[in-house]
Amino acid sequence: RKEVEQDPGPFNVPEGATVAFNCTYSNSASQSFFWYRQDCRKEPKLLMSVYSSGNEDGRFTAQLNRASQYISLLIRDSKLSDSATYLCVVNARGFSGTYKYIFGTGTRLKVLA
Amino acid sequence: EAGVVQSPRYKIIEKKQPVAFWCNPISGHNTLYWYLQNLGQGPELLIRYENEEAVDDSQLPKDRFSAERLKGVDSTLKIQPAELGDSAVYLCASSGNTNTEAFFGQGTRLTVV
Repeated sequence: RKEVEQDPGPFNVPEGATVAFNCTYSNSASQSFFWYRQDCRKEPKLLMSVYSSGNEDGRFTAQLNRASQYISLLIRDSKLSDSATYLCVVNARGFSGTYKYIFGTGTRLKVLA
Repeated sequence: EAGVVQSPRYKIIEKKQPVAFWCNPISGHNTLYWYLQNLGQGPELLIRYENEEAVDDSQLPKDRFSAERLKGVDSTLKIQPAELGDSAVYLCASSGNTNTEAFFGQGTRLTVV
């Protein structure tokens, strides 16, 4: 089982739609959580951190459920420019005992006109 | 403020040849990461530095890969000899510490022919 799992998609949605992505993680000792966005042939860029109480940034809402070990990203009123791959990132303790960022495979979103 | 700088952006080499990548992190960032990203996959950690110390290199194929960060600032990643399967994007990232978000460079796209 992968340490961080995401549905690879693609999710094809019309403009204006609301879309949600989930990500599950296996290490219950994970400390911090992030969503990154990656455009085609570009580097990943931080979209938002995910806090225990949930957080919102404009059209984007991130939530963390520690009991069920998943995080989610909700995008409201999708724009064409939201088309990208969304990477779930978990900061978890590795076998060496140190913490490291573990990326999911990413979920591809395509917003259609 | 300058972001993470990587060079070269692209590299094409023949198999069995050596290759090196360079990374200059964001000023003041103690933590530096090298990741490998294959098409359609999330980044996978190769090595993480805290200042000049490699604190997690468990995923680095040490028979052919090496890395250094001698003065705790910029870093190089080397492959010798390169194999066809090494073709991928090599991403460098840095963060203030292990719990804060990581910022990525544009990556080096390596093609081994």
